[in-house]
Amino acid sequence: GQNIDQPTEMTATEGAIVQINCTYQTSGFNGLFWYQQHAGEAPTFLSYNVLDGLEEKGRFSSFLSRSKGYSYLLLKELQMKDSASYLCAVTAGNKLTFGGGTRVLVKP
Amino acid sequence: DAMVIQNPRYQVTQFGKPVTLSCSQTLNHNVMYWYQQKSSQAPKLLFHYYDKDFNNEADTPDNFQSRRPNTSFCFLDIRSPGLGDAAMYLCATSRAKTEAFFGQGTRLTVV
Repeated sequence: GQNIDQPTEMTATEGAIVQINCTYQTSGFNGLFWYQQHAGEAPTFLSYNVLDGLEEKGRFSSFLSRSKGYSYLLLKELQMKDSASYLCAVTAGNKLTFGGGTRVLVKP
Repeated sequence: DAMVIQNPRYQVTQFGKPVTLSCSQTLNHNVMYWYQQKSSQAPKLLFHYYDKDFNNEADTPDNFQSRRPNTSFCFLDIRSPGLGDAAMYLCATSRAKTEAFFGQGTRLTVV
């Protein structure tokens, strides 16, 4: 089976940086995804890590350590519109499984 | 242009009355997923297809069935909806082992 853990909620200030951690245990790991989901909407793809290291995409970066079963999503220069849930998801085989999601609240 | 289309966006059904949700894709992806998402929870995988190979999650209730008649279409059938089945149902597609693209979801209300 798979076990994916992330914090439930985080609060940060506009303009600041927030790091969302994700730990996972799975057999047959292929890759790790981060999705953003605003309330009432479908998840949208943010990043994908297959190999160890950091992937940077504008204000968002994602890091993976396969040996530690650990990833983080870094959000820089936070904007109010970044208030959303951030979902860590792992693929094993052709199966994509989500963690519980982290709700990020950005305050002025 | 929408690439993964779910119909309808909102569905109201009566307790115990069968309901079908549909998903279509223009991406020619071989993997299709159905997820159930309840308020403030993460999407829960119900089943997925790799081409015609159907994979059911062990904890998906028997009340939920799926059909994939061709690459482009996938259906979720709920045979006897209960109040606990009220949720957002999300369809997603991907090429094997790459990012999944989601439809806008169907919000199901059971009355």
